[in-house]
Parts: sequence; structure tokens; C-alpha cells
Amino acid sequence: QSALTQPRSVSGSPGQSVTISCTGTSSDVGGYNYVSWYQQHPGKAPKLMIYDVSNRPSGVPDRFSGSKSGNTASLTISGLQAEDEADYYCCSYAGSYTSYVFGTGTKVTVL
Amino acid sequence: QVQLQESGPGLVKPSETLSLTCTVSGDSISSYYWSWIRQPPGKGLEWIGYIYYSGSTNYNPSLKSRVTISLDTSRNQFSLKLNSVAAADTAVYYCAKGGGWWNYWGQGTLVTVSS
Repeated sequence: QSALTQPRSVSGSPGQSVTISCTGTSSDVGGYNYVSWYQQHPGKAPKLMIYDVSNRPSGVPDRFSGSKSGNTASLTISGLQAEDEADYYCCSYAGSYTSYVFGTGTKVTVL
Repeated sequence: QVQLQESGPGLVKPSETLSLTCTVSGDSISSYYWSWIRQPPGKGLEWIGYIYYSGSTNYNPSLKSRVTISLDTSRNQFSLKLNSVAAADTAVYYCAKGGGWWNYWGQGTLVTVSS
């Protein structure tokens, strides 16, 4: 099972919006509404930002939103802030045999 | 507040067994799913597997032949064993609460495979 494909990096100025894509196949992203997103600052554990495509855990700012179309899921950060600079990973359920596959990761830079 | 803490050797020799324990506080492992996830230095995340409180397990097919995850309810801990390790198993290993998405994580522990 290959990793889901994410852009290596995206950037934006404070206050702008950025969108990170996560492309898979009909066997993972496209087949289930079980996509989650994680933020990871250097040297820290990942933090859950979105689960089940578009649900935000308690405490996650509503600047973060998730969506899915076909085999591609997306994470949008609106009103970009300096503290949003981090690596972001998507993850999808991929069926009972493979179970879970992560994306390749995207570095978000706040200019 | 749920907290998880990994513990175990930071250095393992090639062909030997990597053994890690995750101690959970603020919650009981006698409910829900508990997972292991790893991250090689400078690389992305890889799901290793999870155990349900009932004892049922599910493993990454690429690691399945070498992995065992188990529970110790008396100590509120769960453990990871990875057999026949090689340099490619060098990674930060995280324990986490959840089966399909993970909202509580340990801080991670670096395990280096080297002679």
C-alpha cells in the first residue's frame, strides 16, 4: 500500500488561506469517509486537527477545515497564523487488509 | 487528562527484538483502541497496529509477520514487540489512543537499530 500523495510544501502570508491536498485511490480516500489530519511541530508528537473528513476535535480552531472530493481530501487553513507553521499529515482508512495509510506530509511555511 | 508515556531501550541490535511499553494515565485501557505509530528520522508517519480492549489486534500488513501488540490491564499499559529488527526500523515510536484517528499521543521515543 503506497503512501497518500501530498505536496511537499505550501506557503502563505499571515491572514491568507492555504489548502493542502491528499490524493489517494478508490481503495482508501475515495472509498471511505475516514480521513484524518495531523499537525506536527519539530520534535513534537502529532496533533489531531480533523477526523472523519471534516470533524474538528474540541479545542482545534475553526480556521482549520477538511473536505473530500473523489479520491482527494483537503485541509484548508484560513487566516494563517505564525503558529500554523508545521508539518501536516493526512491519514485514511484503506480497508480491512491494509487498514490505515498516512500521507507523505506537507510543510506549511508562513511567510 | 489522558497521558501516554513510552518506555524501553533506545538502542537495539540488528536481528533482535524491539520491546516498548506505553503507560496510560487518566484513562483505562479496558476501553477503546490503543495504537503504535512510528516515524523514521526526517520521514513520514507509519501506522504499526492497534489493540482493542478486548484483546483483538490489527497490524500493518508490511509488519504483520514481526509485530505483536499486547495489553496489561493490571498495570494500565500496552506493549509493542517487533522481531528481527534492521536499520530500517530505526524510528521515533509513538503510542496513541485510538484505532482510526488518534487524539492523544505519547511524546515518542527514539529507537535506534545498530550494532
